[in-house]
Amino acid sequence: KAGVTQTPRYLIKTRGQQVTLSCSPISGHRSVSWYQQTPGQGLQFLFEYFSETQRNKGNFPGRFSGRQFSNSRSEMNVSTLELGDSALYLCASSSTGGASYEQYFGPGTRLTVT
Amino acid sequence: GESVGLHLPTLSVQEGDNSIINCAYSNSASDYFIWYKQESGKGPQFIIDIRSNMDKRQGQRVTVLLNKTVKHLSLQIAATQPGDSAVYFCAEKGNYGQNFVFGPGTRLSVLP
Repeated sequence: KAGVTQTPRYLIKTRGQQVTLSCSPISGHRSVSWYQQTPGQGLQFLFEYFSETQRNKGNFPGRFSGRQFSNSRSEMNVSTLELGDSALYLCASSSTGGASYEQYFGPGTRLTVT
Repeated sequence: GESVGLHLPTLSVQEGDNSIINCAYSNSASDYFIWYKQESGKGPQFIIDIRSNMDKRQGQRVTVLLNKTVKHLSLQIAATQPGDSAVYFCAEKGNYGQNFVFGPGTRLSVLP
């Protein structure tokens, strides 16, 4: 089975711009979660999508949004980028996100905001 | 490679020795726990999980111990190898749809 894939792997943007990151979960997995990882804050939960619905949301401003498509692929968007948004953005998929919690992570997208 | 955490606690062990990585979790209602390994430039990799109705679970060269009384989780790695060098995270989750909460991580350094 192919693992979780994320595109692009690296991205450089300027303050004020917006960015869209993409995640393709493991085949058959319906839950996709997004995390932000920084050296100072560690791994922080952004949101979870299950069957195209946002099921859970972390404590991030509204500039961070996401969506999930019918094939379970997910995108996250960050608008009006700030320098502090520079981070590794990880997505993780699981089969149901319910009784089975086992999550598998993708390699991440390294976003640098200048 | 990318820096996962600049000021993480570090555990240094000799190759071949056993490693014990500890994690204190915060929520007494958490009922599921995972240990992840993250190598430089990669996403976290699932190692082993345990539910709150268990005290111990073993995998290949790894054992996870759960002490609910003191809200403590540990990961034991037997016969540590150079390839085990990485940052290790514990993550906890409640049983009412809450998201995973990750610990700060511990950097394991295996000395030759």
